[in-house]
Amino acid sequence: QSALTQPPSASGSPGQSVTISCTGTRSDVGYSKFVSWYQHHPGKVPKLMVYEDDKRPLGVPDRFSGSKSGNTASLTVSGLQAEDEADYYCSSYTDSGTFVFGIGTRVTVL
Amino acid sequence: EVQLVESGGGLVQPGGSLRLSCKASGFTFSAYWMNWVRQVPGKGLEWVSRIRNDGTKTFYADSVKGRFTISRDNAKNMMYLQMNGLRVEDTAVYHCAKSDHFDPWGQGTLVTVSS
Repeated sequence: QSALTQPPSASGSPGQSVTISCTGTRSDVGYSKFVSWYQHHPGKVPKLMVYEDDKRPLGVPDRFSGSKSGNTASLTVSGLQAEDEADYYCSSYTDSGTFVFGIGTRVTVL
Repeated sequence: EVQLVESGGGLVQPGGSLRLSCKASGFTFSAYWMNWVRQVPGKGLEWVSRIRNDGTKTFYADSVKGRFTISRDNAKNMMYLQMNGLRVEDTAVYHCAKSDHFDPWGQGTLVTVSS
């Protein structure tokens, strides 16, 4: 159960886009359509932003979009806003019936 | 409104035990898988365990297998995590989360394992 690989940091200016990758294996990310993304502001609880690879929960702005190709999933934040500055984690269901999280990516709005 | 409230955390010595509880409200608890996820302060998230809606199937992270036991009482809308053989590396904030989408999360309860 190795953690999924994410870049430790990403950044962009307000209005720009940033894309975060999440790389796993055929036993997790590549196994099924069950990658999720969470936004975590310090001192708050993580918030679901994308589920089942590319679906957005009600209330999540359409600036947030998910995609997947093979063993790598991605989260794109378009039209960056100051409040998007946070840690982002991916998670994936695995073929063992367990879950695994990514190591997290700190997004900075310049 | 969906609410999850954890309790039971505290300071325990290595080798000791704790039982965490998660009280659920605002949704049909018995219809959902439930999960425990932990976070070492300042570090990343680690999935710990999940339990089927009827309590008949459970899964664990390798790091806790054989030491932790997840359970639930649907009549009381409660989920539990019995933690035995605690290690220093189990120190973390433990969150319960609704469903396999982990949505939403409770505020968490801090477990500190230290001598």
